[in-house]
Amino acid sequence: GAGVSQSPSNKVTEKGKDVELRCDPISGHTALYWYRQSLGQGLEFLIYFQGNSAPDKSGLPSDRFSAERTGGSVSTLTIQRTQQEDSAVYLCASSLAGSEEKLFFGSGTQLSVL
Amino acid sequence: AQSVTQPDIHITVSEGASLELRCNYSYGATPYLFWYVQSPGQGLQLLLKYFSGDTLVQGIKGFEAEFKRSQSSFNLRKPSVHWSDAAEYFCAVAAYNQGGKLIFGQGTELSVKP
Repeated sequence: GAGVSQSPSNKVTEKGKDVELRCDPISGHTALYWYRQSLGQGLEFLIYFQGNSAPDKSGLPSDRFSAERTGGSVSTLTIQRTQQEDSAVYLCASSLAGSEEKLFFGSGTQLSVL
Repeated sequence: AQSVTQPDIHITVSEGASLELRCNYSYGATPYLFWYVQSPGQGLQLLLKYFSGDTLVQGIKGFEAEFKRSQSSFNLRKPSVHWSDAAEYFCAVAAYNQGGKLIFGQGTELSVKP
């Protein structure tokens, strides 16, 4: 596609449920990032995939959060046993490489945990 | 630890007036510096970036920023603001060779008066 695509655009879930958020990066982009944008914390880095290298998971806030990237393209961010503090906009970005290339961001998934 | 401070949470300027958004960073080595803009309902878009070389960098939409190492600042400027510039602006820093793993400031919301 022309840009980074994220789905769903909005997700409402109940506390304790698991959710999956999807990111479809720009074709040919080898680097993929997940960020979280919340009222109290601003924009936070979560995880970074670069090609076939092991992902940089240093920003994941707890072990309830995980992400995978299949075939070097689509990525799924999974949050298990959601908590109210997980409510935020989850942004995905991709770039041609992980170093000096600019990031292209998707419009995000607004997650609301009730 | 790396950090970014945007002292102004909200700024209002008149259309046609000049604009300066402040950004201060804390980083122990040569940083990569960025300004992103987020318009309502849209993803983050890169305005400009600084990696090395000329400390005055030009970006899209008529924006420029100046890197001042002595002041640890990377302020964003525009000589004449347009109503369409109303948005939230984020300054970000990344470690050398990790240009996609960004540390963001809290953002500055810009309102433009007619």
